[in-house]
Amino acid sequence: DVKVTQSSRYLVKRTGEKVFLECVQDMDHENMFWYRQDPGLGLRLIYFSYDVKMKEKGDIPEGYSVSREKKERFSLILESASTNQTSMYLCASSLTIGGQPQHFGDGTRLSIL
Amino acid sequence: AQSVTQLGSHVSVSEGALVLLRCNYSSSVPPYLFWYVQYPNQGLQLLLKYTSAATLVKGINGFEAEFKKSETSFHLTKPSAHMSDAAEYFCAVTEGGYQKVTFGTGTKLQVIP
Repeated sequence: DVKVTQSSRYLVKRTGEKVFLECVQDMDHENMFWYRQDPGLGLRLIYFSYDVKMKEKGDIPEGYSVSREKKERFSLILESASTNQTSMYLCASSLTIGGQPQHFGDGTRLSIL
Repeated sequence: AQSVTQLGSHVSVSEGALVLLRCNYSSSVPPYLFWYVQYPNQGLQLLLKYTSAATLVKGINGFEAEFKKSETSFHLTKPSAHMSDAAEYFCAVTEGGYQKVTFGTGTKLQVIP
């Protein structure tokens, strides 16, 4: 089975801090994704990457950046955390072949105080 | 552009009753369609997917969904609800060969004993 591992289940940070969320997948998937999930809004795509060092903005990239230096690892960075970034963050990976599902980690619940 | 609409953010059914969760999509090309389930404090798990092989798709845990092109629908059903089915369900669409997935806003299923 594909395993997508997010480094933290719960995280509490302060306003203005630089925050790193890490995600690792073990199935050699080309694509990796970061979403945030908020009640009533479903999943919204922040950034995705289809190859090492490649990244594409999703629907809500403002205030975030990403890094993919190795194929298995995709990091989400909150440059200067703000309270409106308090949310559940989900990482996913998938193969490039059409119609392949995404495989998700268990999520990181981030609170910005 | 692709989009997904899930009718009903909350659905309640009695244990043993039929489960019907509605999903309508919009896509400019033949789509790939997915249903995911999310249990509390977990990531999303794939329930089933439609990739044009058959219009009636069977998934895990007794769920199935029917692709109806004329109605642009992909509703999820289960003949008899079980308490363990209580979760949030997400419909998702992706267009052929492109890995960006659009998710619906989710439907929380409550199963009443």
